[in-house]
Amino acid sequence: QLQLQESGPGLVKPSETLSLTCSVSDTSISSSNYYWGWVRQSPGKGLEWIGSLYYSRSTKYNPSLRSRVTITVDTSKNQLSLALTSVTAADTAVYYCVRQDYYYDTTSYSPGMCDFWGQGTLVTVSS
Amino acid sequence: EIVLTQSPGTLSLSPGERATLSCRASQTVTNSYVAWYQQKPGQAPSLLIYDAFRRAAGIPDRFSGSGSGTDFSLTISRLEPEDFAVYYCHQYADSSTFGQGTRLEI
Repeated sequence: QLQLQESGPGLVKPSETLSLTCSVSDTSISSSNYYWGWVRQSPGKGLEWIGSLYYSRSTKYNPSLRSRVTITVDTSKNQLSLALTSVTAADTAVYYCVRQDYYYDTTSYSPGMCDFWGQGTLVTVSS
Repeated sequence: EIVLTQSPGTLSLSPGERATLSCRASQTVTNSYVAWYQQKPGQAPSLLIYDAFRRAAGIPDRFSGSGSGTDFSLTISRLEPEDFAVYYCHQYADSSTFGQGTRLEI
């Protein structure tokens, strides 16, 4: 059965890079017909979509975070990674790994609803 | 960016009653690409409804979604004790944004 397991440091210093990994079991990221991505939840901003990747087809980012975010896949480990640079206290949140369906409009693929979520991992930004 | 506004912020009802939750978008959501999620304390959100009205796998038929354009709603026909939680709407037609949530309390 599908499992998404987030991992990474629970504490990151301001101005540094937040790095998280999502281990996916029971399906291959590279051969599945889904987007794989990240959503975060903080008390101040609620749920916020960070970005998603459809292997070898498309990567989409939240416009408000695009300049600081990179999402990649390690196919040998079947892991999804998130890197968020220059973090501040506003980046403190629970980070969820998600699977998203996709849809295709006339020109490109786009991520749809989040049909599967990991349990989430709390990341605190503090010195 | 499409801003989603959910109302009410908190809804107080009793088991057996009907609940109607609203989600209003700041602009038209193309193809009614709206989903609804339920979140219980200490858990991740879980998908209930997608494409405005399609129930996700395993979701009881007391949950239903409707709406189009800028106005969407989630209805729970007869509340069960396990339905008291926080509910979020989500649009994925233009990037991806979530509402701020409605807390459904006993």
